[in-house]
Formats: sequence, C-alpha cells, structure tokens
Amino acid sequence: SAVISQKPSRDICQRGTSLTIQCQVDSQVTMMFWYRQQPGQSLTLIATANQGSEATYESGFVIDKFPISRPNLTFSTLTVSNMSPEDSSIYLCSVGEGEAQYFGPGTRLTVL
Amino acid sequence: GENVEQHPSTLSVQEGDSAVIKCTYSDSASNYFPWYKQELGKRPQLIIDIRSNVGEKKDQRIAVTLNKTAKHFSLHITETQPEDSAVYFCAATDRGSTLGRLYFGRGTQLTVWP
Repeated sequence: SAVISQKPSRDICQRGTSLTIQCQVDSQVTMMFWYRQQPGQSLTLIATANQGSEATYESGFVIDKFPISRPNLTFSTLTVSNMSPEDSSIYLCSVGEGEAQYFGPGTRLTVL
Repeated sequence: GENVEQHPSTLSVQEGDSAVIKCTYSDSASNYFPWYKQELGKRPQLIIDIRSNVGEKKDQRIAVTLNKTAKHFSLHITETQPEDSAVYFCAATDRGSTLGRLYFGRGTQLTVWP
C-alpha cells in the first residue's frame, strides 16, 4: 500500500489561530479523505479532497472552518481555522487504493 | 445514507479464547466491508475486508463473515493473543459510488488478558 505521511504529528495551538496539516503520499492516488477522531471515538469524515476541484464536505463541516487544498494527486492540506478547544482532536488523512482505504499517522491537535 | 451499528463496545477475553465482533448495516447497496485495527496512539490499520459476492474470508487467525440478507457481518479472531488488544472498527461502503466514502461503526475495545 501507499506510504502516507502527515505533518505536523502534533501541535498545541492557541484559540483563534489556524493550523494547516499536510498529507503526502508516495504515489498518485485518486481519492483522498480527511477524518477527525476525538478521544475514544470513531472516525468522522470531514471531507473528500478532490484534485482540481473543491472538496466535498460532510454534513456539519464547512469550507470556511476546514478549507482543503488538493493541488495534485500526491498531496493535500487541511486547515483548521479560528480554532477553539472543541477542535482538539486527531486529524487523519486517508487515501483510496482500489476499494481499500489506508490512513496516515494522524496529527494530534490540542487547542488551549 | 448508510448507518453501521457495531457490538459490543467492549470485549474482554482470556488469551487463547475466540473473540467475535458484530456489525449491521442499513443500505442494501453497500458491497464492501473492511475491518480496521487501531492500537493505542496509532493509525487505523486495514486487517481484512470482504465483498458482497463472498460469504466468508479467512486470513490466519482472523475471519470475516457476511450475511447480505440480514445485512450483518462479523469479525472472528481465534486463539487470541495479548497483541490483539486494540480498538476494532467495522465499515461499509458502496464500491460503485463515486464518493468512495466509508461509513464506520463506533468501535469495539478488545482486551485480551494473558
């Protein structure tokens, strides 16, 4: 499967600021996704990152809060904007290979 | 959209015993069912998957069964070992959908006692 990396692996941020998380894949992939996982919870899909077009957001997530870029088939970014403590979570990117999906290592975000 | 229910939420077994985790889904269009294992502080890892044209799939100590009529699928782990301790997530999707999104269950915390 593809090798997926994320940066940063963790960060502590002040409320009201923004953080951009990067996801890099070692091969071209069509589908890339961004998930949020709060402590002890399941995986919640934020959006599907589409190459060359706007991301497709799930109910409850909006572009102004979670802008996503997908400039090519190996890279995507997720920005968490105007952060509040409720945004403290693990953010994971995943890529689709055929029907399977594989996850990056995640970014642990703490907002104070 | 799809709704995936997973039971139990926690499961404790003695080393060497078997563990079974069950999931149900609501959308009859779903045709691909992966299982993920997530160890503490790690990413979810795909451990096994099954397609709707197959009733059972086995990989060493892990097996998955699917009942399309009843819309449920199960993960079976035999001869459990302490390293099987983790959170397990089931998921479902319609492979024919261009969205390709997975719908996840809430997870099962499996603890294997030595």
